[in-house]
Amino acid sequence: SQQGEEDPQALSIQEGENATMNCSYKTSINNLQWYRQNSGRGLVHLILIRSNEREKHSGRLRVTLDTSKKSSSLLITASRAADTASYFCATAYYGNNRLAFGKGNQVVVIP
Amino acid sequence: EAGVAQSPRYKIIEKRQSVAFWCNPISGHATLYWYQQILGQGPKLLIQFQNNGVVDDSQLPKDRFSAERLKGVDSTLKIQPAKLEDSAVYLCASSLVSGRNEQFFGPGTRLTVL
Repeated sequence: SQQGEEDPQALSIQEGENATMNCSYKTSINNLQWYRQNSGRGLVHLILIRSNEREKHSGRLRVTLDTSKKSSSLLITASRAADTASYFCATAYYGNNRLAFGKGNQVVVIP
Repeated sequence: EAGVAQSPRYKIIEKRQSVAFWCNPISGHATLYWYQQILGQGPKLLIQFQNNGVVDDSQLPKDRFSAERLKGVDSTLKIQPAKLEDSAVYLCASSLVSGRNEQFFGPGTRLTVL
């Protein structure tokens, strides 16, 4: 399968703590994207990291990409209750441009 | 700017009936996607359009699912006849360029097949 696989699947943290999620994939990618999905709502794009990039920041989000290990991590710093959501990594591969989503990480931030 | 619009938001049908979903992408976005998201899973791409042409429909169950994008703007996804396992959220997304840009998703249509 070419789909990204997130790890861990579920995470429960206290407000103010950091949350880290990992994603692994199997073949060479064009880019890797992280999306958030709140309960009952559509997906929202968070950040895109290209295959020639190693780290990217956006507000309280930090994404790293290790192409040698075929893995990525998403760090949310100083979490808030509003960060409670499912987080998906999605990989775009060379050749078919299809975006393949992982199964998602459920993150619960306790106020 | 206006986001991706989808309708209806919810639909309940009985198995073997037919159903259609509508999507209006963000203005100027050439690429349009339909995804199926089963509860507890990530979205699975069903079909991808570039303007009004099909780029990828390899995961579309063509015996019962069909989609079209007339004039390269709005799109409809149809299921006929529906099966119980089609119960899912159907998400429409659009992007400027396929594969190299972020995708913008609509709110989705939650389909329940009884």
